Amino acid sequence: QMQLQESGPGLVKPSETLSLICAVSGGSVSSSPYYCGWIRQPPGKALEWIGSLYYSGETHSNPSLKSRVTMSIDTSKNQFSLTLTSVTAADTAVYYCVRGVAAAGIVSWGLGRLVTVSS
Amino acid sequence: DIQMTQSPSSVSASVGDRVTITCRASQDISTWLAWYQQTPGKAPKLLIYSASSLQSGVPSRFSGSGSGTDFTLTISSLQPEDFATYFCQQAYSFPLTFGGGTKVDIK
Repeated sequence: QMQLQESGPGLVKPSETLSLICAVSGGSVSSSPYYCGWIRQPPGKALEWIGSLYYSGETHSNPSLKSRVTMSIDTSKNQFSLTLTSVTAADTAVYYCVRGVAAAGIVSWGLGRLVTVSS
Repeated sequence: DIQMTQSPSSVSASVGDRVTITCRASQDISTWLAWYQQTPGKAPKLLIYSASSLQSGVPSRFSGSGSGTDFTLTISSLQPEDFATYFCQQAYSFPLTFGGGTKVDIK
């Protein structure tokens, strides 16, 4: 059973950059046909897809965030990462790293990391 | 973007009840739909994928149906551990989008 674990600062100042890492255990971060991705959930609200990275190298990001989002995979460390620039209070959320298969849904979720944007 | 609309937003039910949650897509998504269960403070858990396929390890009281724009998640006999929030998600096109959630609580 693959395990995912987010890490990174829990508090980020407005206008700064949010950076999170997802450590993967129990399997390879780049194994086909899985994709890696990030989803967030503001307190008490619904889930919002941030973006996905595929084993082919293809990436997709939510257009609402696209210009601020960077995602990458580090196969040597079996982890993947998210950076979100120019954050505001609206970016306060629990951030989940995930693994999924296109036709089979999001099968693995990290525990989630609450990131609060505040000065 | 494809909009996913769930109804109802909340439902009160008793143990043993049959519960049905619906999800409507703003355009045809074939069967590219998944359902998730989330309990407070926990990550979501995949229940159903491809609209009607039960994820391994998920109890058979959960079932999904539908295609095109209209989908249903049914819990045939509600158990205490099923009181949670349920989300649908379309996987047909980017950006992937989720419904607003349906909270199932105790009557």
